[in-house]
Amino acid sequence: GAGVSQSPRYKVAKRGQDVALRCDPISGHVSLFWYQQALGQGPEFLTYFQNEAQLDKSGLPSDRFFAERPEGSVSTLKIQRTQQEDSAVYLCASSLEQGVRETQYFGPGTRLLVL
Amino acid sequence: GNSVTQMEGPVTLSEEAFLTINCTYTATGYPSLFWYVQYPGEGLQLLLKATKADDKGSNKGFEATYRKETTSFHLEKGSVQVSDSAVYFCALTKNTGNQFYFGTGTSLTVIP
Repeated sequence: GAGVSQSPRYKVAKRGQDVALRCDPISGHVSLFWYQQALGQGPEFLTYFQNEAQLDKSGLPSDRFFAERPEGSVSTLKIQRTQQEDSAVYLCASSLEQGVRETQYFGPGTRLLVL
Repeated sequence: GNSVTQMEGPVTLSEEAFLTINCTYTATGYPSLFWYVQYPGEGLQLLLKATKADDKGSNKGFEATYRKETTSFHLEKGSVQVSDSAVYFCALTKNTGNQFYFGTGTSLTVIP
């Protein structure tokens, strides 16, 4: 596609619900990143995929967060038993080559509100 | 640890004014430095980058020089336009690892 797309753009969840956030990277991009951006803050790294391999998940805040990219293209970030502190914008980015020094192309984000 | 500190906003300037947004960093070794911009309603976009000391990144009239001696990467533009209104993020990444470290962002509004 022309750019990175994310869906849904907005999600309201009740505390305790599970949510799934989708990222469609630019076709052919090897690397995929997920970030969490709290209100008024910069994005914070969550996890990194190189093709289908999740090479770094050190930024995931708890075991309630899970990400996958089974076929090396579309990725899903799942949050189980959502809490109010999970409210944030979740950003996905992809880059053509491996490695974080490559230019990352960001999607518009999914704004999650947990009530 | 690795971190980026940028000047707090919001910043409001008149059209054609000179812009500086300060950014300093803390990192071991030799990080790469970036400025990303987020226009209203859009995703983050790379504005410019520099990968080694004394490199100057430039794009769309914006410039930033990688200063290792002062651990800084200040963003400058000589004459801002209304269309430059956006949030600007300074970021760094290390040669190893997979993480980007972003600053908190600086909101710029340019008024006609």
